[in-house]
Amino acid sequence: KAGVTQTPRYLIKTRGQQVTLSCSPISGHRSVSWYQQTPGQGLQFLFEYFSETQRNKGNFPGRFSGRQFSNSRSEMNVSTLELGDSALYLCASGTGGALSGELFFGEGSRLTVL
Amino acid sequence: GENVEQHPSTLSVQEGDSAVIKCTYSDSASNYFPWYKQELGKRPQLIIDIRSNVGEKKDQRIAVTLNKTAKHFSLHITETQPEDSAVYFCAASIRKAEYGGATNKLIFGTGTLLAVQP
Repeated sequence: KAGVTQTPRYLIKTRGQQVTLSCSPISGHRSVSWYQQTPGQGLQFLFEYFSETQRNKGNFPGRFSGRQFSNSRSEMNVSTLELGDSALYLCASGTGGALSGELFFGEGSRLTVL
Repeated sequence: GENVEQHPSTLSVQEGDSAVIKCTYSDSASNYFPWYKQELGKRPQLIIDIRSNVGEKKDQRIAVTLNKTAKHFSLHITETQPEDSAVYFCAASIRKAEYGGATNKLIFGTGTLLAVQP
């Protein structure tokens, strides 16, 4: 069974640009969550999608958005990039929501904003 | 609140010693508490989890204890080995009530860098 796949793995952008990251969950998983990982801040919850609906969101500004497609693949978008958006963005898939057990993480997309 | 505090941020132990990492949470409705291990350059992976209906769970050298009254839970690793060196994240489910039901999200602590010295 293929694991969670994230693309691109690395990308460099400049301030003011926008970026789209993609996540393909494990086959059969309908839940996809996104996390931002920075040194010292751990894994900060961005949002969770389940069956194409955003079910939960974290405390990030509206520049951060996402969506999920009918095949459960998910994308997240960050507009008007700021230096502080530089981070590793991880997505995780699961069979249900936060109480459903193990989250399977992708390897992440490392974003550098110059 | 949606806070999960984790301590210590770094922990260095000698091989064979025990390691303990502690987390506290603020939402009294939290009822699921997983622990993830992230080795350098790799993705986080679940190592153990506990639900609120039990106070302790063990899996070989690792164990998790939960004190719901005090709202804290801990990870215990015994007989540590160099391959236990990694960043460990605790997490707690945060419940959001909404019309027609409730949803839950997983909030992580800030992580503990464990270094096991051979």
